[in-house]
Amino acid sequence: GENVEQHPSTLSVQEGDSAVIKCTYSDSASNYFPWYKQELGKGPQLIIDIRSNVGEKKDQRIAVTLNKTAKHFSLHITETQPEDSAVYFCAASPIIQGAQKLVFGQGTRLTINP
Amino acid sequence: SQTIHQWPATLVQPVGSPLSLECTVEGTSNPNLYWYRQAAGRGLQLLFYSVGIGQISSEVPQNLSASRPQDRQFILSSKKLLLSDSGFYLCAWSEGTSGSWDEQFFGPGTRLTVL
Repeated sequence: GENVEQHPSTLSVQEGDSAVIKCTYSDSASNYFPWYKQELGKGPQLIIDIRSNVGEKKDQRIAVTLNKTAKHFSLHITETQPEDSAVYFCAASPIIQGAQKLVFGQGTRLTINP
Repeated sequence: SQTIHQWPATLVQPVGSPLSLECTVEGTSNPNLYWYRQAAGRGLQLLFYSVGIGQISSEVPQNLSASRPQDRQFILSSKKLLLSDSGFYLCAWSEGTSGSWDEQFFGPGTRLTVL
């Protein structure tokens, strides 16, 4: 089955700097890659996702890149702000009939220092 | 708009006691429903998913079971809790269109502590 590895486990950056989180996956059948942000004591919220037919996607300060050949994808946050502090999870999933079975990475705790 | 509810928000149970966690979704019909567990400081692990009433698929053999008695209701149960069942349980839903890349929307979660 699919296995997703996420690095780093913790990341601390100065406010205004950029943050990069990387994930690798094992199953070449995976073709949907979402990124979730989880604040303390809450459920994860989708912040951006990318499909396998796209190499890069951007939404304001957040961007995701995908390299299907190397089986890795990355989250880039530019001009970081204190409210970006949270735990971020990557996930991968094949597209199947019916439910979508996401496999999550272990998470990255991002701290933005003022 | 759609909303997802989970209760209780927190629960402390003794080892060997039963468990029932409930999840309901409003504002949509025939959703796909999911139960995840998140151990402290870890990622999310898919436990069960359901594509329709009475249809449950288990991803991980364990001490838990799931049921879907109504279209928008998903229940996680156990007859006898183990210490290892402690964790943060999250329910999620997605649109029930087959073969789609639909976003999964997560509920607020239930924090379960087994003592």
